[in-house]
Amino acid sequence: DAGITQSPRYKITETGRQVTLMCHQTWSHSYMFWYRQDLGHGLRLIYYSAAADITDKGEVPDGYVVSRSKTENFPLTLESATRSQTSVYFCASRPTDSANYGYTFGSGTRLTVV
Amino acid sequence: RKEVEQDPGPFNVPEGATVAFNCTYSNSASQSFFWYRQDCRKEPKLLMSVYSSGNEDGRFTAQLNRASQYISLLIRDSKLSDSATYLCVVTLSGTYKYIFGTGTRLKVLA
Repeated sequence: DAGITQSPRYKITETGRQVTLMCHQTWSHSYMFWYRQDLGHGLRLIYYSAAADITDKGEVPDGYVVSRSKTENFPLTLESATRSQTSVYFCASRPTDSANYGYTFGSGTRLTVV
Repeated sequence: RKEVEQDPGPFNVPEGATVAFNCTYSNSASQSFFWYRQDCRKEPKLLMSVYSSGNEDGRFTAQLNRASQYISLLIRDSKLSDSATYLCVVTLSGTYKYIFGTGTRLKVLA
């Protein structure tokens, strides 16, 4: 199916475990982004990528790792999950480097760290 | 001061009413502006871009005031289906980073 998909939709993990959230887009968009959304903070940028093999930190990168070996995939890994990483995670993509284009978001992953 | 600020609401309005939200931004170098809509427990979806001259899409009108550094969203003839959180988004010149406001919650009442 065309679009941007995230998996899993829901995940419960234990403190200290490594967990990977997947993001896949079928449009060949250059730009991809990971955000987390928490009450009172809105959407905060974790990492972003301008193209395959090019990634950069956003506002809240600590505790997260990303990779982008293929244009269509942008997985986000929590190396050692903490309770403070309980959140809703959204992946987004955009076709060009023009700031006039809006993002398209995936449907999100709701992560609970216990 | 937050880079993008919105009144969290909720704004409770009857069906058919006109409602307006404002969003202020702190960086005068801000380049592009958007309104997104987010339904409960769903992803944000682009509602409309905001252009310098103002723009309209059906019942929705967006305006930009660079001098006072705010953007606005006007919804006319509110529908029950307009109930959602409306997110203001600002981008800075020379970056592709979007800065999101925390959103304004709208409830349209029957």
